[in-house]
Amino acid sequence: GQSLEQPSEVTAVEGAIVQINCTYQTSGFYGLSWYQQHDGGAPTFLSYNALDGLEETGRFSSFLSRSDSYGYLLLQELQMKDSASYFCAVRDSTNAGKSTFGDGTTLTVKP
Amino acid sequence: DAGVIQSPRHEVTEMGQEVTLRCKPISGHDYLFWYRQTMMRGLELLIYFNNNVPIDDSGMPEDRFSAKMPNASFSTLKIQPSEPRDSAVYFCASYGTGLMNTEAFFGQGTRLTVV
Repeated sequence: GQSLEQPSEVTAVEGAIVQINCTYQTSGFYGLSWYQQHDGGAPTFLSYNALDGLEETGRFSSFLSRSDSYGYLLLQELQMKDSASYFCAVRDSTNAGKSTFGDGTTLTVKP
Repeated sequence: DAGVIQSPRHEVTEMGQEVTLRCKPISGHDYLFWYRQTMMRGLELLIYFNNNVPIDDSGMPEDRFSAKMPNASFSTLKIQPSEPRDSAVYFCASYGTGLMNTEAFFGQGTRLTVV
């Protein structure tokens, strides 16, 4: 089976940098994804890491360390619109179609 | 493509009634997932299909829940009979296979309220 841990809440101010960590335990690992969900909306894809290292997409970056079963999402130059829930999700290598989501981290960006 | 389309967007029903949620995945995607989201339990995978075949239904809470995918462009999730504890947002998501397909596309969800 799979389990993921991420902080339940994070608060930061506009313009700041915030890091949301995710640790996972899995019987088979294929990759780590990050999704953003605004209140009342659908989860939307942010990034995916299959190999160790940093992936950068604009203000957002995602990091993976397979040996540590750990990843993080880094959000830079925070904006009010970044207030949302962020989920990490693990894809299962024993069946690459299956993804398990963490409980999500609620990010509040204050002025 | 219009993305993953779910219907209805909102459903209010009385306890004991049958509820059917519908999903149209993105054309060409061969994986389809049904998730349920609640404050208490977060985002739970209920069942997923690959090429219209159910692969893993271990997340389906009980026999009152059933899901079908009669063809590549349509899936249903049925609850019969519905109970108040089934109240949640139900999401359908799809993506294609292959190393390049790493993004799951979610529909807008169906907010189900059972009274």
